[in-house]
Amino acid sequence: DTAVSQTPKYLVTQMGNDKSIKCEQNLGHDTMYWYKQDSKKFLKIMFSYNNKELIINETVPNRFSPKSPDKAHLNLHINSLELGDSAVYFCASSQRRDRGPNTEAFFGQGTRLTVV
Amino acid sequence: QQQVKQSPQSLIVQKGGISIINCAYENTAFDYFPWYQQFPGKGPALLIAIRPDVSEKKEGRFTISFNKSAKQFSLHIMDSQPGDSATYFCAASRTAGGTSYGKLTFGQGTILTVHP
Repeated sequence: DTAVSQTPKYLVTQMGNDKSIKCEQNLGHDTMYWYKQDSKKFLKIMFSYNNKELIINETVPNRFSPKSPDKAHLNLHINSLELGDSAVYFCASSQRRDRGPNTEAFFGQGTRLTVV
Repeated sequence: QQQVKQSPQSLIVQKGGISIINCAYENTAFDYFPWYQQFPGKGPALLIAIRPDVSEKKEGRFTISFNKSAKQFSLHIMDSQPGDSATYFCAASRTAGGTSYGKLTFGQGTILTVHP
């Protein structure tokens, strides 16, 4: 029944490794996002996809590469992990409307990434 | 550049009291202002939202007050309960034009503690 699910929930890895986080939504939304929450709990958008097309890329290092195989899935691959990448990464989804704001954004539980 | 500024960083309230969290924004193109509630280990969840064509919106114990000329909005939690203890985020979004596609710009967050 989970609307937006992310895996894994926890990820501990060494510097220099490559890792992926997966996200799936079963809400039928056409827009998905990755947000990063730092140690001070500040939330900042990283990427947004609409119908599998990248529409927002917020000056994120190119070590981060999102991939959307279909509009229900948005994965995040991170190359050459650095200590500063340690954070909680949230996937979210919403539905674009022709007029007015997107529908409510639903967030996943988050993936806590720790780089050691 | 912090486009949405939130205060206070933390707030302690007694059960039954009123919790007030304030936000100010800079970008006059923002036209959708949601508040999100986040419990430890969980993703943010929409609490209440407002568009700038109204000055106040109330849902149960939660009220948003909006001052368009001052570019400020606030969340009031009446009769605060221990179960309200969480981190609260204000956010802003631009829904008209461009490729906003529901991008949320968050405030820094407020950790609310309600003592029994």
